[in-house]
Amino acid sequence: ETGVTQTPRHLVMGMTNKKSLKCEQHLGHNAMYWYKQSAKKPLELMFVYNFKEQTENNSVPSRFSPECPNSSHLFLHLHTLQPEDSALYLCASSQEKSGGAENTQYFGPGTRLTVL
Amino acid sequence: GEDVEQSLFLSVREGDSSVINCTYTDSSSTYLYWYKQEPGAGLQLLTYIFSNMDMKQDQRLTVLLNKKDKHLSLRIADTQTGDSAIYFCAVGLYGNTGKLIFGQGTTLQVKP
Repeated sequence: ETGVTQTPRHLVMGMTNKKSLKCEQHLGHNAMYWYKQSAKKPLELMFVYNFKEQTENNSVPSRFSPECPNSSHLFLHLHTLQPEDSALYLCASSQEKSGGAENTQYFGPGTRLTVL
Repeated sequence: GEDVEQSLFLSVREGDSSVINCTYTDSSSTYLYWYKQEPGAGLQLLTYIFSNMDMKQDQRLTVLLNKKDKHLSLRIADTQTGDSAIYFCAVGLYGNTGKLIFGQGTTLQVKP
């Protein structure tokens, strides 16, 4: 596997379910990101991890819970979601979190989430 | 806060050049990016330019940056039907936040 992979690619869940999204990067990067992409809205940054430490939580509701056990893996745990949480969830990684070229972010294919 | 604006739609004929435009507000940008998103896929990095450069060329892609006017453009030469996608402009901000601010995306339609 190369690049950034995400599983599952599609997920349908009820509002009372608990599920997790997984992201893995094979680029040797140290920073990982979760984004939400909704129809007709700009890409929204949710969380940033740098060297396994969370450095950004962009006012995300607590029903979304990220986990970064190591620099290669990132999870997004979901529970008691709402229908408006239906979206494409994208994971990205970069060499490091900075204002320079090392911040160039590479994206996975995304998980299409539908909340019923 | 930073705002990035793009026109929503562009239609061209196959073989023509496409020019996708982007404007941004924050003058403390560092790197500026162009990403491509095909249906059902994630964002593919196409190219990026450092804010002290005016132009960067990469095969069929030419990026122009006018820092005074805070205007970025992506020119695709000899546009093909496979170039049909949504194109996102993103601006990296100075500092150690890791944040990229994205535009809302331009849908490029290439007609045969």
